[in-house]
Amino acid sequence: QVQLQESGPGLVKPSETLSLSCTASGDSITNYNWDWIRQPPGKGLEWIGYMYSNGKTNYNPSLKSRVTISVDTSKTQLSLTLSSVTAADTAKYYCARRRGWLSPLEYWGQGTLVTVS
Amino acid sequence: QSVLTQPPSVSGAPGQRVTISCSGTNSNIGAGYDVHWYRQLPGTAPKLLIFGNNRPSGVPDRFSGSKSGTSGSLAITGLQAEDEADYYCQSYDSTLTGWVFGGGTKLTVL
Repeated sequence: QVQLQESGPGLVKPSETLSLSCTASGDSITNYNWDWIRQPPGKGLEWIGYMYSNGKTNYNPSLKSRVTISVDTSKTQLSLTLSSVTAADTAKYYCARRRGWLSPLEYWGQGTLVTVS
Repeated sequence: QSVLTQPPSVSGAPGQRVTISCSGTNSNIGAGYDVHWYRQLPGTAPKLLIFGNNRPSGVPDRFSGSKSGTSGSLAITGLQAEDEADYYCQSYDSTLTGWVFGGGTKLTVL
């Protein structure tokens, strides 16, 4: 049973950097492809970026200058950093797993709410 | 403003059939990329409902997906009260080289 769990501070000050982690139980982070998705309160889903199992990353052009997705050195956690945050970055942040390049997001974490204030 | 366009809301009576449309462009759905559908209950994470024309294990065959031209569609037959949720479509966009989502559709069972 794949379980994903996001973690990180629930409150970040404007202009600071948001840092989140995603832990996957039941399998190695490096065996799959991963995405970060966010959802502002009461709004729809926005793709942030992905990291493939080979380490390749790609980001939403609207966020590209501020976002980094990586895997920690122990290869047990996926990380997301978003710099220079504003109130517009307030959202629930989800990590999600998929198998292949165009595969759907098969497993999602429960999400973690980050408020910028 | 979402890249894929969905109606904000749809509704139907129990037992009826409803469809939710997802309109894209020639850089996503029209380019041949699959449309995936997710269902989100209040306060929970989205859950995969349809991928392309397929259903994950455990999803009833009341749910089906289709695609034509630059649009995709989710059909739900035999509507049940438990189907009330938000539904999102997703596809790949070759211009953005990443995922795009629809704005979501709230389904109300009357």
